[in-house]
Amino acid sequence: DAGVIQSPRHEVTEMGQEVTLRCKPISGHDYLFWYRQTMMRGLELLIYFNNNVPIDDSGMPEDRFSAKMPNASFSTLKIQPSEPRDSAVYFCASSLAGGETQETQYFGPGTRLLVL
Amino acid sequence: AQSVTQLGSHVSVSEGALVLLRCNYSSSVPPYLFWYVQYPNQGLQLLLKYTSAATLVKGINGFEAEFKKSETSFHLTKPSAHMSDAAEYFCAVSEGSGNQFYFGTGTSLTVIP
Repeated sequence: DAGVIQSPRHEVTEMGQEVTLRCKPISGHDYLFWYRQTMMRGLELLIYFNNNVPIDDSGMPEDRFSAKMPNASFSTLKIQPSEPRDSAVYFCASSLAGGETQETQYFGPGTRLLVL
Repeated sequence: AQSVTQLGSHVSVSEGALVLLRCNYSSSVPPYLFWYVQYPNQGLQLLLKYTSAATLVKGINGFEAEFKKSETSFHLTKPSAHMSDAAEYFCAVSEGSGNQFYFGTGTSLTVIP
């Protein structure tokens, strides 16, 4: 398996612009997670989905952030409008509810976002 | 409520010395426990996990961790540090409901030649 795929790997944008981050989970996984990592706050869970349905979005910082999962193989995290304080590395992870690898989250390589 | 505490945000060891990274957790039910490693500019990679089988868990790259319920600990060890072990290490706990993880704040390991 190719693992969790994220795109783009790097994004530089100007304040006020819309940013869309993309994630393709491991095939067959039924959970998908979005995290944000910064030096100041460490690793933060933003939102997670089960079978394409958002379960907990309490970690989403504010209304400028939105996430969707239109199907089992694709999710997006959108920031509109973006601000410099959104600069961080955004990780997507997926996991399987059952089986030998249950409870293990597999992480993508991350998207490094810089908002100028 | 679940939580994870990693004592020591920075740990330095000499090459060949014992590595000990500490993790304590709180959980209202028998937990699943994990250690992940993050190399610079990369994502998190699973080192090992505890899921209520053997209390001593062996992972990749010579690392192991022991689940001690009485101490609510899951410390990570490696007998002999290698330069390539320099990375950030994260401990995480899950109670299995919804697969949600709670991560510690991470420990940065430096290996001195």
